[in-house]
Amino acid sequence: QKEVEQNSGPLSVPEGAIASLNCTYSDRVSQSFFWYRQYSGKSPELIMSIYSNGDKEDGRFTAQLNKASQYVSLLIRDSQPSDSATYLCMNSGGSNYKLTFGKGTLLTVNP
Amino acid sequence: DVKVTQSSRYLVKRTGEKVFLECVQDMDHENMFWYRQDPGLGLRLIYFSYDVKMKEKGDIPEGYSVSREKKERFSLILESASTNQTSMYLCASSSWTSLRDGSYNEQFFGPGTRLTVL
Repeated sequence: QKEVEQNSGPLSVPEGAIASLNCTYSDRVSQSFFWYRQYSGKSPELIMSIYSNGDKEDGRFTAQLNKASQYVSLLIRDSQPSDSATYLCMNSGGSNYKLTFGKGTLLTVNP
Repeated sequence: DVKVTQSSRYLVKRTGEKVFLECVQDMDHENMFWYRQDPGLGLRLIYFSYDVKMKEKGDIPEGYSVSREKKERFSLILESASTNQTSMYLCASSSWTSLRDGSYNEQFFGPGTRLTVL
């Protein structure tokens, strides 16, 4: 069974702090990694995608991938209350052409 | 502007009824997906399709079937609805990144259908 595990949360940070969301995956052959944000009652929307080892930055968001450790993370700098949502990690490719989502981490940013 | 639409936002059906959930995308994507989302269980893949008339089972296909007669449309069918199929159903589409490594580009999700089976 190919799995994606996320830190269970919920995670609470003060406004302006750095929020760190973590994800490990078991399928070593996985190729593509995505972070989605889902507001309550809404569908997921893409925040970041990352395919190569290292860091990828987009505004206040940084995704980090370490394929050797099978680990991907999302850092949110200068967290805002509008960042309060559930964050989903997903990987794809690999040995069975399937996609696997983690169960999500609920982030709350307190004003 | 990319768009994935689902036929209903809310649906209430009775046990034993046949239920059709429709999904349409206007991005000319090859791949389409059906998920259900339940509290504590996250998103679970039911079926996906990588081409017209092609379908692949996901992690929880039991009790469901799908149909993809046109590239833009992917239907999820509950042959005989049961109460344990009460859930939020999400449709998504994506294009390929690479057939060789089996990767997908990012998925675009529809607004979801909240199905209640009584």
